[in-house]
Amino acid sequence: AAGVIQSPRHLIKEKRETATLKCYPIPRHDTVYWYQQGPGQDPQFLISFYEKMQSDKGSIPDRFSAQQFSDYHSELNMSSLELGDSALYFCASSLDDGQETQYFGPGTRLLVL
Amino acid sequence: KQEVTQIPAALSVPEGENLVLNCSFTDSAIYNLQWFRQDPGKGLTSLLLIQSSQREQTSGRLNASLDKSSGRSTLYIAASQPGDSATYLCAEGGTGRRALTFGSGTRLQVQP
Repeated sequence: AAGVIQSPRHLIKEKRETATLKCYPIPRHDTVYWYQQGPGQDPQFLISFYEKMQSDKGSIPDRFSAQQFSDYHSELNMSSLELGDSALYFCASSLDDGQETQYFGPGTRLLVL
Repeated sequence: KQEVTQIPAALSVPEGENLVLNCSFTDSAIYNLQWFRQDPGKGLTSLLLIQSSQREQTSGRLNASLDKSSGRSTLYIAASQPGDSATYLCAEGGTGRRALTFGSGTRLQVQP
C-alpha cells in the first residue's frame, strides 16, 4: 500500500540558510500535518492543511511557512535557519472518514551547522 | 490544554515476558488515541488506534485499552521479543482533524 512520501530524507544546511521540505500524502488523503521532533523529544505539531486551506496551527515559528498544493502535496519552507531547527520533521496525512487516522512519513532529518 | 504522560520512561524485560505500557491524559474529551512505535532515528509506525467510543483494540500480540473516565490507556504486549525493542509513543487526537498530542514515550528493551 502507498505510504506518505517525504523528501529529502536528509538535509544539511548552514545557519541563516533556507530549506524546503516536501510531503506527498497517501492518495485520496485530504489532510496533511507537519510535526517537528527534536533530539530526545516527542513530536510537536507545527501546522496542518485540509483541502489546501490551513486547518490548525501549532508551535510553528514565524520563520517557517507551509502550504498545500492542488495535488495535495505540501511543502514546509524554513528560512533564517538556526541551530535549534535541527530535528526530524514528520509529515502525516489522513482521510476525512470519521476515523482520521494519521499515517506518518519516514521523516526528513535536518541538520543545521 | 491536553497533556499526555507515559510511565515508565524506560523498561527492560527478558524475552517472553508480558508487559504493559501506560499512557495518561488530562482531558477526557478525546477523539481518539493512537499508539506508535519508533525505532531509533526512524519514523513513526502506527500500531493501534482506539476511537473514543471504543474500549480496546487488538492486533496480533498487541492489545490497547482506553478508559476515558480515568484518563488512561494501556498497551499490552504479549510474549515480548527482542524485535519489540523500540520507543512506544501514545498520542491523543482531538476532534475535527486536529493535531495529535504526544506523550514522551516509553523506551522498551527486550533482552534475549
